[in-house]
Amino acid sequence: GESVGLHLPTLSVQEGDNSIINCAYSNSASDYFIWYKQESGKGPQFIIDIRSNMDKRQGQRVTVLLNKTVKHLSLQIAATQPGDSAVYFCAERSYTGRRALTFGSGTRLQVQP
Amino acid sequence: NAGVMQNPRHLVRRRGQEARLRCSPMKGHSHVYWYRQLPEEGLKFMVYLQKENIIDESGMPKERFSAEFPKEGPSILRIQQVVRGDSAAYFCASSQKGHQETQYFGPGTRLLVL
Repeated sequence: GESVGLHLPTLSVQEGDNSIINCAYSNSASDYFIWYKQESGKGPQFIIDIRSNMDKRQGQRVTVLLNKTVKHLSLQIAATQPGDSAVYFCAERSYTGRRALTFGSGTRLQVQP
Repeated sequence: NAGVMQNPRHLVRRRGQEARLRCSPMKGHSHVYWYRQLPEEGLKFMVYLQKENIIDESGMPKERFSAEFPKEGPSILRIQQVVRGDSAAYFCASSQKGHQETQYFGPGTRLLVL
């Protein structure tokens, strides 16, 4: 069945360093991927998305990379700040079947000052 | 605030009572999704609705759970005869045009069943 999972449950980085959060997916029919940030007690906040016809997409301080060959997705955060501390979820959606998002289990990013 | 609104933010119920969770989508959005999140886990899809229509309820438990999105007013997720296992955070998301559009989430309702 389809699944979305993350390699590292917790990532600790120093302020100012770059962060890389990884995600693996198994549904080859997935054509749309999103990264969400969730702070404690809040709802998921949209960060960046990418469609399957792209390999890379950049936002402000964030970059998402998609490798369809190995079904791998990553989120890169440049110059990580304490405000980036949160749980990050990747989510995917298939162009067939269920129309809702399938979420991974999340990676907690801890930024050390 | 033009974001997705949910209320109440916190809800405490005793076993056997009913829980009603409300969601007002972003302005201009006519598609609503409900998700459930257990502590330290990702969100799990429950139901997808448009105005007056349930599009996909494949993630909804067959018993005690129901959802609606009337022509006027917020979307309602209703849980009858709650049990302790229903304790979770329930998030609503909305999109403008449907499943191909980005979903924006509300702050969630945290349900505690005693």
